[in-house]
Amino acid sequence: QKEVEQNSGPLSVPEGAIASLNCTYSDRGSQSFFWYRQYSGKSPELIMSIYSNGDKEDGRFTAQLNKASQYVSLLIRDSQPSDSATYLCAVNPGNQFYFGTGTSLTVIP
Amino acid sequence: GAGVSQSPSNKVTEKGKDVELRCDPISGHTALYWYRQSLGQGLEFLIYFQGNSAPDKSGLPSDRFSAERTGGSVSTLTIQRTQQEDSAVYLCASSLVQTGGRNTIYFGEGSWLTVV
Repeated sequence: QKEVEQNSGPLSVPEGAIASLNCTYSDRGSQSFFWYRQYSGKSPELIMSIYSNGDKEDGRFTAQLNKASQYVSLLIRDSQPSDSATYLCAVNPGNQFYFGTGTSLTVIP
Repeated sequence: GAGVSQSPSNKVTEKGKDVELRCDPISGHTALYWYRQSLGQGLEFLIYFQGNSAPDKSGLPSDRFSAERTGGSVSTLTIQRTQQEDSAVYLCASSLVQTGGRNTIYFGEGSWLTVV
């Protein structure tokens, strides 16, 4: 079983819609959870971190964490074409960071 | 520096040659990571350094790969006798290890390696 699982997509949403990205993880001892955005040909860029159960909002982005279900999600409201990228979920159970394989998102104008 | 700095940004090498990739982490960050990402694939962990502790080398794919970190700062990843399957982007990242486990990892721009 992989440490972090994501639906690889591709996920397509129309401009202005809500994009929902999901991630599950296996290590119950994980304390920190992250979402990174990676544009084609670029390195991953941190967009959200979350440490406690519940929702955390930052602009158009909302991260949701449910430790009991070992589930992390990212909602992107009012999706823009510039949001088209691969989104990586990462989990930090200790010293190591485990990354999912990423979900490819395309926002259609 | 302001961010993680990697060099070279691009490297084309002939099969069988050795290459060295350099990473300069964010100032003050004690943890340093190397990852590899082949075209269209996810991040593959290679090696992790934390302070003066022995590095976690569990992700190195073969004995042709090695890495060192001098003075707790700059790191060099060395690939000996390069093969075509080594072609990938090599990403370095660093983090400030904090008590309570709230660490965040930041990536450099990567070194794109092409073995011909």
